[in-house]
This record gives sequence, C-alpha cells and structure tokens, in this order.
Amino acid sequence: QVVLTQPPSASASLGTSVKLTCTLSSGHISYAIAWYQQQPEKGPRFLMKLNSDGSHIKGDGIPDRFSGYISGAERYLTISSLQSDDEADYYCQTWDTGAYWVFGIGTRLTVL
Amino acid sequence: QVQLMQSGAEVRKPGASVKVSCKTSGYTFTDYSIHWVRQAPGQGLEWMGWINPHSGAKNYAQRFHGRVTLTRDTSISTVYMELSRLRSDDTAVYYCARGDSKSWGQGTLVTVSS
Repeated sequence: QVVLTQPPSASASLGTSVKLTCTLSSGHISYAIAWYQQQPEKGPRFLMKLNSDGSHIKGDGIPDRFSGYISGAERYLTISSLQSDDEADYYCQTWDTGAYWVFGIGTRLTVL
Repeated sequence: QVQLMQSGAEVRKPGASVKVSCKTSGYTFTDYSIHWVRQAPGQGLEWMGWINPHSGAKNYAQRFHGRVTLTRDTSISTVYMELSRLRSDDTAVYYCARGDSKSWGQGTLVTVSS
C-alpha cells in the first residue's frame, strides 16, 4: 500500500516563499497526488492535482501563488508571497488500488 | 455550481448508529464517485470508503469493514453514510467528497458520548 510522508510542521515569514513536501513510498513514485489546504475550523479545500509528469490542474479560484512540481518520489507545493491566511494545515492525498484514498499526516504551516 | 450539502450535527450514545446524508447538485450525479473522509478532533484526514452512484459499487477502508455502509438514492442525487456500533473515538467531523477530489461537503460533526 502506498504511504505518503509529510513533515508535521513548517514555517516561513510573511511575504516570502515556502516549499512543502510530500514523499511517495518506494514503488509508488509514479503516482499522482492532490494537495489540500485546511484553514482553522474549516473543511479541506482542493488546491491542485499534481500528475507524475509534473503537470498540474488547479482548483477553481486558486491563485497563481500556489504551484506544484515533482522530483522523483517528492511532490512539492510551493506558496509564494505568503499571506497570513496561508497559515493552515496542508495535506497531500493519492489514489491507491481500488480507488482508495490515502492521505499524508498533514503539514501545519506557520506564517511568521 | 457544484455543491455537496451534508446533514446536520448528530449526537449518539456508544453502541448506536448514525446516518449522514450528502446531497449533490450542479453536476450529473452518476458521473462521479462519492468518498467519505473523517477527521477526529485535532487529527488528520482519514478515508473511509467510496460509492459509485451509477452502479452502486462500493469499497471500504479495512478498518471500517462491517461498521460502515454507503448507499445512494439516485432520484434525489444523495449519498448516505451509516456508521454502526459507535464508540467514543468515532467522534469526528465526517465529510463527503466528489471522486475527483475537487468538491467537498461542509462536514457533519458526529459526537459519541454517554
């Protein structure tokens, strides 16, 4: 079964950029993933689907400040020009055999 | 626009069952699977299962096998998630989501307490 590994926390200063990481387990490095943002007391918001060829499809209304790219088993979410309301939990998710969804533990982003 | 509207908060005693609805609109109901995900207080997202509204086929996460049942009513574009033999650690917000991950319901808080 595929496993997604995310660091539990990250931080960056207001106005700068941050790169969040999601690592696919061995044998699953060709999997696509989705990135979600979950602000405090809110539901998950779909940010983008990041395909294994590096292409991505964003959700409606997601600003250009959010982008994604891949490198081997790593899937990255980059947020530029950080704003205070970017402070949230960020989850990655993939699709396993049988259309099972698998989530990472989430990364809590603190905007300093 | 695409909407997934869930039923309201529920309180149940341990051992009881709960049924949460997810009414969809703004797209063809049978074109996308519906998944259920839950989030316990202060915890991450946990996938529970999916249903294909067209065929009725379903699949559940192993840890919920035997306790969760997904059904659908195509006449009203609604999917239901029933969780039985509730325990205190089933207290969580339950979300439905469309199979392409793009659209989610607002969440339903289920509290299990004696």
